[in-house]
Formats: sequence, C-alpha cells, structure tokens
Amino acid sequence: QQQVKQSPQSLIVQKGGISIINCAYENTAFDYFPWYQQFPGKGPALLIAIRPDVSEKKEGRFTISFNKSAKQFSLHIMDSQPGDSATYFCAASRSDKLIFGTGTRLQVFP
Amino acid sequence: EAGVVQSPRYKIIEKKQPVAFWCNPISGHNTLYWYRQNLGQGPELLIRYENEEAVDDSQLPKDRFSAERLKGVDSTLKIQPAELGDSAVYLCASTSPVVWNEQFFGPGTRLTVL
Repeated sequence: QQQVKQSPQSLIVQKGGISIINCAYENTAFDYFPWYQQFPGKGPALLIAIRPDVSEKKEGRFTISFNKSAKQFSLHIMDSQPGDSATYFCAASRSDKLIFGTGTRLQVFP
Repeated sequence: EAGVVQSPRYKIIEKKQPVAFWCNPISGHNTLYWYRQNLGQGPELLIRYENEEAVDDSQLPKDRFSAERLKGVDSTLKIQPAELGDSAVYLCASTSPVVWNEQFFGPGTRLTVL
C-alpha cells in the first residue's frame, strides 16, 4: 500500500514534443503529490506539486493531471527542451513522509 | 542562501570499514531527512529529525546504521561496518517550518563499498 508505481522507466522525446510520465498509488491517505527533477550528480529538486482536491495544476510548460478515483497522476512537459533531460520522480506524501516512484529518465533530442 | 551541504561527495571504502556522512541543512530548517538512493531507484527515507529528535527512524537498519543531530542543526549518518549492499547515494534533505512540504535536497554522498 505504500508503493508508488511509475512508468515508463525511460523516455526519448524530440525537441518541441510532449513528454508524459505516469504514476499510480494505492494508499488513499496520501494527501500531497509532488514531482521532483534530478540531474546527474545533483539531489532531486521540487518541480511541481498537487493536492488531491484539484484535478490539474499548470506551471509554465509543466502540468500535473490528477485522477483521484483511478488513483493515478501524471506529469506533462509541453514543448520539451534538451535542458529538460533529467530523471523525474513522482512521489506521494502523508504526514511529511515522501514515498518516491522509481524514476523516469527523460532524454530530449534536438 | 546556501543550499543543503553534504560531505564528502564521494567515498570509497572496503567492506567492514566504518564510514560517516555529514549534512548541514539550510539555515532555519528544523526538519532534516536522510535518504538512501540505490542506482536507478527513487530515494528511500532512512530517518527524519525534528530539531534534535529522531521522529521517524523505522527504516533505519539499526544494527549497522546510526545517526545524530545533537544540536538540532547539522547531522551525521554513520555505517559500521559497511557491507557491499550499502553502495548507494546518501541524500540529506531539509524543510522549513513555514513551507513544510517542500524538501530541499543536498547533492548527496556517493558511497562505493568494495
């Protein structure tokens, strides 16, 4: 019940395309769903986050879509750029305890 | 504002040797976390401190791992003795009491146990 399942494991997108990463969870007690971005040799950094009382949140080129009934959420990166190439982790939280997904390595080619 | 500082950045040791990692959180951040990130995986929580108190150490392998945050500021994570399976990146993160849900991560310490 504590797992957060993430897919795909890796993703290759052309510059200007849309990158989509999906996550699913089991524990309905989770109340905060962040996405973290991690570059090689760096720690993860918060990218965008959503609470389960909204179905979508957009910040610039990054959008989270949240489906409470399906217990799924996804990250959409519009107009993907080579600088977006990194590993992305979804996570779910309850009482400040973050459970991370396994990560998606995104490569954006010019 | 300085971010979360960790040292060393890299450490290579032989199995059965001890090793220690140090973390200095962002100034004013009273909550500190230690995570372990295995290759190709997401970070997994080892221990969480609120000031100097360890409030969640349920995932810390207490037979060989220990941690301290004596004055509620910087923290040390120790492994003694290290095993081959301990090879991973050890990440430290902190949060402020105001924006409690954003964890700021340090760059991590990459441990290789030979």
